[in-house]
Amino acid sequence: QGQLVQSGAEVKKPGAAVKVSCKASGFTFTRYHMHWVRQAPGQSLEWLGIINPSGDSTNYAQKFQGRVTVTRDTSTSTVYMELSNLRSEDTAVYYCTREVNAAVAGANNWFDPWGQGTLVTVSS
Amino acid sequence: DIQMTQSPSSLSASVGDRVTITCRASQRINNYLNWYEQKPGKAPNLLIYTASRLQSGVPSRFSGSGSGTDFTLTISGLQPEDFTTYYCQQSYSAPQTFGQGTKLEIK
Repeated sequence: QGQLVQSGAEVKKPGAAVKVSCKASGFTFTRYHMHWVRQAPGQSLEWLGIINPSGDSTNYAQKFQGRVTVTRDTSTSTVYMELSNLRSEDTAVYYCTREVNAAVAGANNWFDPWGQGTLVTVSS
Repeated sequence: DIQMTQSPSSLSASVGDRVTITCRASQRINNYLNWYEQKPGKAPNLLIYTASRLQSGVPSRFSGSGSGTDFTLTISGLQPEDFTTYYCQQSYSAPQTFGQGTKLEIK
């Protein structure tokens, strides 16, 4: 079924960068696209970006272009999300999640499972 | 970006009730619509994918329907553990977007 375990909470100052890790187990890591989604306090969910199974292609939400970098290490089944130039509005819980699809070109895809979340607090 | 609008934003109901949550997309998304529940302090959990397909292990009291722009999540026979927040999500086009959430509360 699969499990995703994320790194612990972080406190950062404005202008700094944060790197969150997400270790996968229980499934073949190299077969799946991986995504990052965040949730600010009391808010809905916001998609940040995606990395392909081999790690050589990424796509990011326009809002985060230039500030977010998603990478993956197939040797350790870990995906990373780095967000730079942090501002107070980046305070949120960051989730990694696996993309699942119907294995048919152009078909729907969905997110399952999700990591437990990593709280990133940006404060001076 | 495709906007996803859920209604209502909050809903009060009693154990045993049947409730329906609606999700409307700002453009047609075929059936590329998924539903998640999220309990306080926890990650979202997949309930329904491709508008109407029940995720393995999810109780049959949950059901989904719709296509195009209008979708519904129905819970028949509410249980105490169902009083939480629900989100819809479209995967038709990037960026994938979520509704604002519907909080289901005990009356």
